Amino acid sequence: EVQLVETGGGLVQPGKSLKLTCATSGFTFSNAWMHWVRQSPEKQLEWVAQIKAKSNNYATYYAESVKGRFTISRDDSKSSVYLQMNSLKEEDTAIYYCTLASRGWFAYWGQGTLVTVSS
Amino acid sequence: DVVLTQTPVAQPVTLGDQASISCRSSQSLVHSNGNTYLEWYLQKPGQSPQLLIYKVSNRFSGVPDRFIGSGSGSDFTLKISRVEPEDLGVYYCFQATHDLTFGSGTKLEIK
Repeated sequence: EVQLVETGGGLVQPGKSLKLTCATSGFTFSNAWMHWVRQSPEKQLEWVAQIKAKSNNYATYYAESVKGRFTISRDDSKSSVYLQMNSLKEEDTAIYYCTLASRGWFAYWGQGTLVTVSS
Repeated sequence: DVVLTQTPVAQPVTLGDQASISCRSSQSLVHSNGNTYLEWYLQKPGQSPQLLIYKVSNRFSGVPDRFIGSGSGSDFTLKISRVEPEDLGVYYCFQATHDLTFGSGTKLEIK
């Protein structure tokens, strides 16, 4: 069974940093393409970042809204994917979901972790 | 950026009836490789979204055949026949042909 478990969310001040972790199991992580997707308090979904597999040179892609501030990475030995978020803004407040691509772009989702950016 | 417009915003439905949700794109979603990357997701109350349909009309594993995706170009529809209580929630369309964008959602609710 595919499992994705996000941790690391919390309350942070604008301009500060936070790192999210997604621990996975139940599939061959090293071959997987992983994404982060977020959902605003208004319930709008937004794709945030993608990281491909080693066979794709771990290529990464970002939404324009986070480019230059967020970094997605992975550790295949730990079957985990990360999202380093720097220079956080109030508009980054959202539930952050880790997702696995399989046929569909976001075939499997974690339960999400809440990030609140506020002074 | 591609904009996906979902209608209606809320769809009241009687259990056992059919429901229909529209998703219109500001551009054709036919990719240069011939595929159309239009997907549908359902977010049930208190849960994470779940994939229902990929590439317009393909049901993801475990999705009942009551869910039918159709459409082409820039006009797409999700039909849910014989609506059951577990079908209630917010439905989102999503496109991956040009960048990656979600629609704003359609809430399926009891009439």
